[in-house]
Amino acid sequence: AQRVTQPEKLLSVFKGAPVELKCNYSYSGSPELFWYVQYSRQRLQLLLRHISRESIKGFTADLNKGETSFHLKKPFAQEEDSAMYYCALSGNAGNMLTFGGGTRLMVKP
Amino acid sequence: EADIYQTPRYLVIGTGKKITLECSQTMGHDKMYWYQQDPGMELHLIHYSYGVNSTEKGDLSSESTVSRIRTEHFPLTLESARPSHTSQYLCASSKRRGTGSYEQYFGPGTRLTVT
Repeated sequence: AQRVTQPEKLLSVFKGAPVELKCNYSYSGSPELFWYVQYSRQRLQLLLRHISRESIKGFTADLNKGETSFHLKKPFAQEEDSAMYYCALSGNAGNMLTFGGGTRLMVKP
Repeated sequence: EADIYQTPRYLVIGTGKKITLECSQTMGHDKMYWYQQDPGMELHLIHYSYGVNSTEKGDLSSESTVSRIRTEHFPLTLESARPSHTSQYLCASSKRRGTGSYEQYFGPGTRLTVT
């Protein structure tokens, strides 16, 4: 069975501070990991995927297979980063996603 | 413009009513999904479809049913709504990328309240 855990329901930081949203997973095979974001009154959208090794809006995430983690990081948080962030895993089926419980990021001015 | 559409966006209905939540996509995707999401909580897959005439139940047991008669259309039906069905319902579709991985695209959601 595959499972995604986001231990923090809420993360509050000040503008300009570093931010790290934690994501841990359990899966027996080689997973593909994603971060989705939902801004206020907008639909859920893909932020980044581990396979692309990209930086989107200043966010990066590295897959650590030893620690089974895929934490999302940004060195300097901006107010517009305030949103709900979901970590998701896709297993061997390729197209089925298992989501974590989500972390609400609040960036204070 | 290629997109995923869900109607209605908000629905308040009485117990015992039959309801259908509509989902249509003009993205040309074969695979479609329904998720249930309570406020601030995780998304749970309740139904998915690999293509026309293909429907499967997801991880979370649901009293709803789905159909896939046309590629672009994936409606969800509740025969007799109950207050426990109050939730947000998200529709999604996916395409296979050149790398072999899939990317899911989500609709705006339908917020259902059963009184």
